[in-house]
Amino acid sequence: AQSVAQPEDQVNVAEGNPLTVKCTYSVSGNPYLFWYVQYPNRGLQFLLKYITGDNLVKGSYGFEAEFNKSQTSFHLKKPSALVSDSALYFCAVRDILAAGNNRKLIWGLGTSLAVNP
Amino acid sequence: NAGVTQTPKFQVLKTGQSMTLQCAQDMNHEYMSWYRQDPGMGLRLIHYSVGAGITDQGEVPNGYNVSRSTTEDFPLRLLSAAPSQTSVYFCASRQTGDSYTFGSGTRLTVV
Repeated sequence: AQSVAQPEDQVNVAEGNPLTVKCTYSVSGNPYLFWYVQYPNRGLQFLLKYITGDNLVKGSYGFEAEFNKSQTSFHLKKPSALVSDSALYFCAVRDILAAGNNRKLIWGLGTSLAVNP
Repeated sequence: NAGVTQTPKFQVLKTGQSMTLQCAQDMNHEYMSWYRQDPGMGLRLIHYSVGAGITDQGEVPNGYNVSRSTTEDFPLRLLSAAPSQTSVYFCASRQTGDSYTFGSGTRLTVV
């Protein structure tokens, strides 16, 4: 079965330090991978995606993610964390076994990032 | 601004009552979906639609109905509210191959 795992419920980091939010996946073929962010009392916002090509993907707000096929991982990173980055982060993979527009996203459970001043 | 609009933002229902959560998008997206978000459960897909007149069930469809008479609107109906349906509900849309655009959510409490 296709799945996404975010092994950490919460990540704490000091402002100015680099941050990593981990995501691993399990799919049958080539994955389409996504990161979304949810600020308090808001809907989810798209950050970045990996479809094909360069393993390092750059996204919004200075975030980037590295696709590692051998480790089946897609970790979210940022070189220098800001207090305003504190939010809930979701990793997702597209179900490529479904046909056409029925390719739904399979979501991780989310990781709460707290950036301390 | 273009996007996904959900109404209402907050709602309290009594057990057994029915209501409709509204969702509208102005981006001409074909695909629309409803999720519920509960602590420790992540996002769970309730129903989705790949175009006007076409709907299908997601992971947790029981107790909910949807319809898609137009491209823009995708309302979610709770037929007889139960406390287990207390949750935050999100509507999302996307065009083929694109990322999702989410609404700001409806926080529903069933007492």
